[in-house]
Amino acid sequence: KQEVTQIPAALSVPEGENLVLNCSFTDSAIYNLQWFRQDPGKGLTSLLLIQSSQREQTSGRLNASLDKSSGRSTLYIAASQPGDSATYLCAVRHPESQGGSEKLVFGKGTKLTVNP
Amino acid sequence: DVKVTQSSRYLVKRTGEKVFLECVQDMDHENMFWYRQDPGLGLRLIYFSYDVKMKEKGDIPEGYSVSREKKERFSLILESASTNQTSMYLCASSFFRVSTDTQYFGPGTRLTVL
Repeated sequence: KQEVTQIPAALSVPEGENLVLNCSFTDSAIYNLQWFRQDPGKGLTSLLLIQSSQREQTSGRLNASLDKSSGRSTLYIAASQPGDSATYLCAVRHPESQGGSEKLVFGKGTKLTVNP
Repeated sequence: DVKVTQSSRYLVKRTGEKVFLECVQDMDHENMFWYRQDPGLGLRLIYFSYDVKMKEKGDIPEGYSVSREKKERFSLILESASTNQTSMYLCASSFFRVSTDTQYFGPGTRLTVL
């Protein structure tokens, strides 16, 4: 059974700092890995999606890497800002044997606080 | 822009009531999903649907049912609400079996069962 773990559970940094969020998964047979952002009391917003054949994706100050063989991904945030404060969720999409379904399996998230 | 809407942001119900949570998407997506999110447990899949009138159980279907009569609408039903169903409920949609695509989430419904 696929399991996704995110470390740390919470992180507090001063504004301007570069930071790394970690995600690990137990089964390397994935289609893709995604990073989402969730603001308090809100839904999820997709930040970056990395296909299983890719090593990294970049969007603005965000860079996500994927090492499928070791079951790890990192989300790098450059020059953090207070507006980056949110919970960041990692999810892997992998095939299920039943009916060919493709499920997203989520980590529990890292709550990031960027202090002014 | 893809838009997934949920009928209520906040809902308060009493134990034993029948509860309907509605989700509508405007992108002609085949797949629709219902999750619940609880502190310390993360997001857990309740039910999902590949097409109209089709449904499949997720990881925690007990106490829930779903209905998909139209492609754009996916309803989650709590037949007899209980206090342990107090949670944040999130709906999502995606294109059918396209591994390059993401799931698009609604804003969530915070349900409290008293």
